[in-house]
This record gives sequence, C-alpha cells and structure tokens, in this order.
Amino acid sequence: AQSVSQHNHHVILSEAASLELGCNYSYGGTVNLFWYVQYPGQHLQLLLKYFSGDPLVKGIKGFEAEFIKSKFSFNLRKPSVQWSDTAEYFCAVQTGRRALTFGSGTRLQVQP
Amino acid sequence: DAMVIQNPRYQVTQFGKPVTLSCSQTLNHNVMYWYQQKSSQAPKLLFHYYDKDFNNEADTPDNFQSRRPNTSFCFLDIRSPGLGDAAMYLCATSSFSGQDNDEQYFGPGTRLTVT
Repeated sequence: AQSVSQHNHHVILSEAASLELGCNYSYGGTVNLFWYVQYPGQHLQLLLKYFSGDPLVKGIKGFEAEFIKSKFSFNLRKPSVQWSDTAEYFCAVQTGRRALTFGSGTRLQVQP
Repeated sequence: DAMVIQNPRYQVTQFGKPVTLSCSQTLNHNVMYWYQQKSSQAPKLLFHYYDKDFNNEADTPDNFQSRRPNTSFCFLDIRSPGLGDAAMYLCATSSFSGQDNDEQYFGPGTRLTVT
C-alpha cells in the first residue's frame, strides 16, 4: 500500500518569504500526485496536480511543485508567501482508481 | 454549476443515536468516496463506490455503512455514534475512466458532533 510523508508539520513564515513544503511517497508504480489546501473553516481545494509530462507543475495562486521520480518526492513551492496563504496543506497520492492517500498535512502560518 | 453537495453542513447527534449524512453530485461521476477527517489530521478514506460496486477499507469500523441508491446520491450511515466519531466527513467524486488522470472533487463536508 502506498503512503505519504509530510515532514514539516507546522511552518511559520513572514510575508514575502519563500516556501517549500516537502512531500515523499512510497509506491513503486505509476502515481498521480496532488497538493490540496484547506483554509480555516473551508473545504479542501485543489492547488495543483501531476499526472504525467513536465515534472514541474504550476498551480493556482502562484504555487508550483516538482515531481522528482528518483526521490519519490513532490515538493510544493512558492517564491513569496502572503498572509492569505495561511492554511493547512495536504499532499496526496492516487494509484489507479483508488482513492487518495493523504499525508498528515502541514500547517502554514504566515505572519504579516 | 456542477458540484458536490453535502447535507447537512453541521450535524449534532447523541451518543448511540443513528445518524445519516448525505452527499449528492451533479457531475455524473461514477466514483464516490467518503473520507473522515478528525481535527488536525489528514482525511482518511472510509469506503468508496465504483458505480454500484462497494469498496470498504479494511480498517473502517462496522459502525459505518454506506448506500448509493443512484449515481447522484451517496449516504453515510453511522449506526451507533461514539464520541470518537466526531469529525468532518468529506464526500468526493471522480469520473474514473481508466486513464489514470481523474481528479477528485470534494464537497464542503459535514461536521459531526456527538454529545
């Protein structure tokens, strides 16, 4: 069975700082990869996804992620965070028709 | 707009009193999922339907059941809620077509409180 690890549980940054959140997965086959964001009191929203092709994926709100197959990683990045990026971020893996397996999440707190 | 709808958004039930949460979708997707998300934790899959084919996760308690009477609707039944079942319950859908490129769409969730 696949698993997803997010090593940063709580990240605190100042506005305009750069962000990188780590995500590693364990599965030997083909995977689809996702990053979801959950703003306080709101439902999960898709930030970006990787199915195939260019390993550098651009998503909404200036976020991007890079799939490095050899490292089983799919790290999320943003060059300059804003206070409105304060949220919980979940990495997720999908194999075949199965549902998503989520990482434990990273709580990002951006200080103005 | 096509979407995934969950009712109610907030549900309070008493310990041991059966409760049903509902999910409907206008996307005509063939797969529907139920996740449980406890406070400060990741969503955890309970089960999913692929068309009418029910797929239960191995560690989903027997207390949790599901029904899918048609493509559009899916229900989560908790037969005897315990305090530990208090959580956000998320419904999601996808149109699995075998292409391995199908995104899941999430509803807003139902927050269940057990008193």
